[in-house]
Amino acid sequence: GESVGLHLPTLSVQEGDNSIINCAYSNSASDYFIWYKQESGKGPQFIIDIRSNMDKRQGQRVTVLLNKTVKHLSLQIAATQPGDSAVYFCAEKRLTGGGNKLTFGTGTQLKVEL
Amino acid sequence: GAGVSQSPSNKVTEKGKDVELRCDPISGHTALYWYRQSLGQGLEFLIYFQGNSAPDKSGLPSDRFSAERTGGSVSTLTIQRTQQEDSAVYLCASSLAVAGSGNTIYFGEGSWLTVV
Repeated sequence: GESVGLHLPTLSVQEGDNSIINCAYSNSASDYFIWYKQESGKGPQFIIDIRSNMDKRQGQRVTVLLNKTVKHLSLQIAATQPGDSAVYFCAEKRLTGGGNKLTFGTGTQLKVEL
Repeated sequence: GAGVSQSPSNKVTEKGKDVELRCDPISGHTALYWYRQSLGQGLEFLIYFQGNSAPDKSGLPSDRFSAERTGGSVSTLTIQRTQQEDSAVYLCASSLAVAGSGNTIYFGEGSWLTVV
């Protein structure tokens, strides 16, 4: 079936190091892939998205890479800070036939160690 | 408002009672979504409203769950005869909905429901 899933449930990194959070997907018809950050007790916060016809997009301290050949998505966070500690979700969206709604993976807990 | 507003932020209810959760989307957003998040889990799609179109109810887990959106703005999610497995965070989100565009979907802080 269609799904968006994550490789690792927990990722621990040292402050200042780069973080890489991975996500695998199975739906080739996805138009957009999106990363959300969710801090404890809060709603998901949009980080960055990438259209399916792109393979890289950069934001502030974050980069998303898309490899459609192996259906793999990653979020890279540069110089990870304590405030980056959260659960990160990848999600996919189809603009036609998908109703503009998001399908989420189960999340990766990022822990930043001082 | 500046963001998606949800109320109540926390609700404890007895098994068998009905609950109503409210969502006020970002002004001007025509698309509104409800998701459910159980403890330590991902987000599960429940229902999607887009303008005056018929809502996509494909994610509602049972006929005890219903939602409406009045006047194209505020939405209410109703859970009838609540069960303990309904305990979760109910998240509302909204977006502009322009066909062919990747409009960002913004989430509220959620309504934490505990059924005892």
